[in-house]
Amino acid sequence: DTGVSQNPRHKITKRGQNVTFRCDPISEHNRLYWYRQTLGQGPEFLTYFQNEAQLEKSRLLSDRFSAERPKGSFSTLEIQRTEQGDSAMYLCASSPPSVNEQFFGPGTRLTVL
Amino acid sequence: AQSVTQLGSHVSVSEGALVLLRCNYSSSVPPYLFWYVQYPNQGLQLLLKYTSAATLVKGINGFEAEFKKSETSFHLTKPSAHMSDAAEYFCAVSRNNAGNMLTFGGGTRLMVKP
Repeated sequence: DTGVSQNPRHKITKRGQNVTFRCDPISEHNRLYWYRQTLGQGPEFLTYFQNEAQLEKSRLLSDRFSAERPKGSFSTLEIQRTEQGDSAMYLCASSPPSVNEQFFGPGTRLTVL
Repeated sequence: AQSVTQLGSHVSVSEGALVLLRCNYSSSVPPYLFWYVQYPNQGLQLLLKYTSAATLVKGINGFEAEFKKSETSFHLTKPSAHMSDAAEYFCAVSRNNAGNMLTFGGGTRLMVKP
């Protein structure tokens, strides 16, 4: 399968712990996006990379959130000192050069107890 | 700023009936519009997209949507619903063709009755 992959698919953690999610985009897709989706809502944009450069960040991305894409391939999203309000589905998407179409991964569902 | 409004968080139709899911957008620039479908515990799958070419866009699984600038609408339709169409549908807008972020509506859950 050559789609976008995300790991882990599910993560349960206790409040105050740090968590890290990984996204592997489709090969040769230079753009990578992170979104957050809470229950019953549409996804909300968090951040966007073009190759290894982080070009845009939402105000939703507080100081506790950090994203990286060190070699322009996979990306990680880390949440420090998790709070119950961080419980959500975290979606990753990638896009090829010069095409306005985003391909989504299956998401990582985070539950903070 | 861009925004999307999906009228009706839940829509129920009988199998074989017309499906109509409503989407209105607000955009300060010519928009690029998308419809995605999401099945339970899965990511989003693109149904169709409007990128300033033909105003009537055909997508996968028999869905189509019509861009109406005067009404700022991009409603999704399918002539005959199947049980397998039951899912959550999201309308989204982006600023331009440079692959910018998507702004999504709140979603519409489609239920199909036998």
